[in-house]
Amino acid sequence: DTEVTQTPKHLVMGMTNKKSLKCEQHMGHRAMYWYKQKAKKPPELMFVYSYEKLSINESVPSRFSPECPNSSLLNLHLHALQPEDSALYLCASSQEASIGTGELFFGEGSRLTVL
Amino acid sequence: RKEVEQDPGPFNVPEGATVAFNCTYSNSASQSFFWYRQDCRKEPKLLMSVYSSGNEDGRFTAQLNRASQYISLLIRDSKLSDSATYLCVVNPQHGNKLVFGAGTILRVKS
Repeated sequence: DTEVTQTPKHLVMGMTNKKSLKCEQHMGHRAMYWYKQKAKKPPELMFVYSYEKLSINESVPSRFSPECPNSSLLNLHLHALQPEDSALYLCASSQEASIGTGELFFGEGSRLTVL
Repeated sequence: RKEVEQDPGPFNVPEGATVAFNCTYSNSASQSFFWYRQDCRKEPKLLMSVYSSGNEDGRFTAQLNRASQYISLLIRDSKLSDSATYLCVVNPQHGNKLVFGAGTILRVKS
């Protein structure tokens, strides 16, 4: 079982809705990530938080807003999404702030459908 | 040119077969290399890191060729449970960014 927990597992929302995806890890990891994965495509990096500070934003549209309330939690706030934003959103964490070992621990993902 | 390129497959092999995947990367300054495995509708999980000297973990062997900028994964004695997508992952420079290849699909059949 994964040690990174994501909720909800499935989410359906309209283009005018506001929703949030949540991620939690209790491994004491110092970095947390949001990835987006479309069907039959690799995960694409969206955001990286190191020591609770945003360190990487891969030019993600502002309708996606990340938040890191503390070292164990990572949220992704969603507002005015488009149907093409439908995807699997994966949260991950790594022990070190720099991915020296390359081991990312992924959650099972939140499957988002935008109508 | 993509940063990380893989043959998407699928590779269809019988149980017990040996199968190899290659992955090429474009940034010659890349420092770290990994293979991840992703089962259908599941999250990716680290399979193994790839070291300059090559490394082996049971039936799995990973190798790095810096001169030609590719890494490889060899699976011996394939099992049905090896069926998955194998993602080549590269850290192009020291830092918090990993670049994932599109993945190679392996199907092991009885």
